[in-house]
Amino acid sequence: DIQMTQSPSSLSASVGDRVTITCRASQYISNYVAWYQQKPGKVPKLLIYGASTLQSGVPSRFSGSRSGTDFTLTISSLQPEDVATYYCQKYNSPPFTFGPGTKVAVK
Amino acid sequence: QVQLVQSGAEVKKPGASVKVSCKASGDSFSGITWVRQAPGRGLEWMGWISADSGNTKYAQKFQGRATMTTNTLTTTVTMELRSLRSDDTAVYFCATWPPGDSDSWGQGTLVTVSS
Repeated sequence: DIQMTQSPSSLSASVGDRVTITCRASQYISNYVAWYQQKPGKVPKLLIYGASTLQSGVPSRFSGSRSGTDFTLTISSLQPEDVATYYCQKYNSPPFTFGPGTKVAVK
Repeated sequence: QVQLVQSGAEVKKPGASVKVSCKASGDSFSGITWVRQAPGRGLEWMGWISADSGNTKYAQKFQGRATMTTNTLTTTVTMELRSLRSDDTAVYFCATWPPGDSDSWGQGTLVTVSS
């Protein structure tokens, strides 16, 4: 099965900072990556699908990109409400594995 | 938009089975995926069921222990997990699939496995 690794596992940044989270697939999966945000005690929320397509209603400070088998979620200007854990998920073919998550905190 | 409403919390003994239901309303959708989250842990994909054909795919870990079914009349998808163990204690979510088709999640169902 294709594995999804994610880095860093956690980060702390200041409001207004640019934040980058990376997910790496162990094999080629084209653009079939989604990114989710999960706030504590809440249901996950889809941010990005197709590696770079912003889900409707998601703030434009969130963006996604792909380079080979590396996928990046970028928050252009971190806001206090962005405190959450972020997960990538592959969906080219089953199993639709999640990455282990990145916990984002605000300094 | 699709609304998903899950059944309530369950407490089960080790070795028992649990059924979690997910009732859909609103727009149509292609499929439902099941995801679980153990306390303090990440998201774990369990499997997927097609809304129309009932075709299923399961994570290897749950193959033979989980069964997902769909009732098109009641627009309800059910996930049954058998031979429960303490490490099956988790919140179980249903969600529409694939990503981008729509993004609707059930509220989550806490399943506690304890003797």
